[in-house]
Amino acid sequence: DTGVSQNPRHKITKRGQNVTFRCDPISEHNRLYWYRQTLGQGPEFLTYFQNEAQLEKSRLLSDRFSAERPKGSFSTLEIQRTEQGDSAMYLCASSLVLSANTGELFFGEGSRLTVL
Amino acid sequence: QKEVEQDPGPLSVPEGAIVSLNCTYSNSAFQYFMWYRQYSRKGPELLMYTYSSGNKEDGRFTAQVDKSSKYISLFIRDSQPSDSATYLCAMSANAGKSTFGDGTTLTVKP
Repeated sequence: DTGVSQNPRHKITKRGQNVTFRCDPISEHNRLYWYRQTLGQGPEFLTYFQNEAQLEKSRLLSDRFSAERPKGSFSTLEIQRTEQGDSAMYLCASSLVLSANTGELFFGEGSRLTVL
Repeated sequence: QKEVEQDPGPLSVPEGAIVSLNCTYSNSAFQYFMWYRQYSRKGPELLMYTYSSGNKEDGRFTAQVDKSSKYISLFIRDSQPSDSATYLCAMSANAGKSTFGDGTTLTVKP
């Protein structure tokens, strides 16, 4: 299957620890998005890349959060000094730039973070 | 106030019913309108998209957009138990981020 792959699927960590999530997009897709979703809420936009360039970051993305997409392929989202409020599902999505306007985002199954 | 407001539900209907799911929005720049379906502990999957105002039909699903009222709807005809999921509306002004509603959870009872 060549869908969007996210790892790990679930991470439990203690407050103050750093965590990193990885996203492997659909191979021919040049746009990659990160969203965060909490229970009962819709996905909230965090950031997106076109190839290796990070084009937009939400103000939700504090300086404890950093995302990279080296070489325009996979992406990582790192959260430093985790807080309990960071507990959420972190969703990655990818798209082709030509179809981004149509909203055709292909989501992975998410990485669930639990901060104790 | 959120840019996108979605009828919260939950919604429970008998099999075969017609379901109406609705969202309102405040940002006049939105011109791309999407509906996603999300099963428990899974990522959202795109069901339908519409550009600007109008209707779009795909099988049992019909999406409607009324930009003058800033109101969008998704209708599901002949609902099936397999349609039980959370439905998310999403909107975009241009290529880039989409803004999502908080979802409506639908249960279709056999």
